[in-house]
Amino acid sequence: DSGVTQTPKHLITATGQRVTLRCSPRSGDLSVYWYQQSLDQGLQFLIQYYNGEERAKGNILERFSAQQFPDLHSELNLSSLELGDSALYFCASSDQTINEQFFGPGTRLTVL
Amino acid sequence: QQPVQSPQAVILREGEDAVINCSSSKALYSVHWYRQKHGEAPVFLMILLKGGEQKGHDKISASFNEKKQQSSLYLTASQLSYSGTYFCGTEVRGSARQLTFGSGTQLTVLP
Repeated sequence: DSGVTQTPKHLITATGQRVTLRCSPRSGDLSVYWYQQSLDQGLQFLIQYYNGEERAKGNILERFSAQQFPDLHSELNLSSLELGDSALYFCASSDQTINEQFFGPGTRLTVL
Repeated sequence: QQPVQSPQAVILREGEDAVINCSSSKALYSVHWYRQKHGEAPVFLMILLKGGEQKGHDKISASFNEKKQQSSLYLTASQLSYSGTYFCGTEVRGSARQLTFGSGTQLTVLP
């Protein structure tokens, strides 16, 4: 158990819909990272937050957005969903000193 | 730019050794190694911060050649539990601690 929690574990929705994925980092970690992993693919970095502020952006679509709240939990919002958005979405947290990233169990999103 | 991992896949017998390589075209600040089992979250193995640094974790060790921007992961006397996909994640100086992951090396250890 990494100490990072993600909800929900599974999400099935239809094209055109909007969903929100939630992540709670390890206690004390200020940084949160979001990654997308499509079937048998590598980890694609989406976005990073540090203590409530956006720190870095990767290959994140305009239909996707995220935020980190004062209690440090983070939410990833995916809208106008397409079939290609089906993937595992991981959240990771780190303390920014060594930057060892601890991954949550992931949310498996299926868009039908 | 994504680091390049090789080989893409390797099959071993229990007790055999393996080497997984990771190379980048950019000047790296650190290299991270993770193992992911199917359907599970990646698990942190180790991080290498300095040129020439070598670290070990049980029978898994790694090196980082800062001059060549290359890292290698060494698995000795492989166990069945070593099976999974290994990813290297590279951190470029000034990148706000962002990691870029390679495409992974699928390791299968057979009895």
